[in-house]
Amino acid sequence: SQTIHQWPATLVQPVGSPLSLECTVEGTSNPNLYWYRQAAGRGLQLLFYSVGIGQISSEVPQNLSASRPQDRQFILSSKKLLLSDSGFYLCAWTIGTGASPLHFGNGTRLTVT
Amino acid sequence: QKEVEQNSGPLSVPEGAIASLNCTYSDRGSQSFFWYRQYSGKSPELIMFIYSNGDKEDGRFTAQLNKASQYVSLLIRDSQPSDSATYLCAVDEATDSWGKFQFGAGTQVVVTP
Repeated sequence: SQTIHQWPATLVQPVGSPLSLECTVEGTSNPNLYWYRQAAGRGLQLLFYSVGIGQISSEVPQNLSASRPQDRQFILSSKKLLLSDSGFYLCAWTIGTGASPLHFGNGTRLTVT
Repeated sequence: QKEVEQNSGPLSVPEGAIASLNCTYSDRGSQSFFWYRQYSGKSPELIMFIYSNGDKEDGRFTAQLNKASQYVSLLIRDSQPSDSATYLCAVDEATDSWGKFQFGAGTQVVVTP
């Protein structure tokens, strides 16, 4: 069966510091991978998605970037965090087209101080 | 702008009663519809998906889809306190050949003993 691992679970970082969040998927090949952010009391905002190694699409201009160095690895980064980057970051995967549902990792709670 | 709309709630439901949640979407070409449950501080978990007009039942949950009216609903029968959560509606974006989804902001359900 497929599993998705996301770490760390919680993170407190000062403004201006770098960020690296990692996500890996097991048990499947060539998944579509996603990074979402959920601000407190808000809906899910799609940040990045990837349909293959090295293929990254950005949905919203951000202080963030994403990379996919391996088929089942997705990384979210920032060079300098802003207060507004605080939130709940969720990695997700699916297979193929929109007929397959998204499956989420456990998320990372990021607080920028 | 493609949109998915949900009432934010909270929807207060007595224990044992039926909870009825609604979701409307703007993209007439959407084909796949998903309901997620999200407990406070946790990541969303998939509870139902539906692709065809009509009803789909899974245990105490029933999803209903009406593509002509562009709405999808979720019924929770015999509501339990453990059903207290935020329920997210997700819809695929029909214009892409791969999986891309729009999420509603969610409906908070509170089941009262």
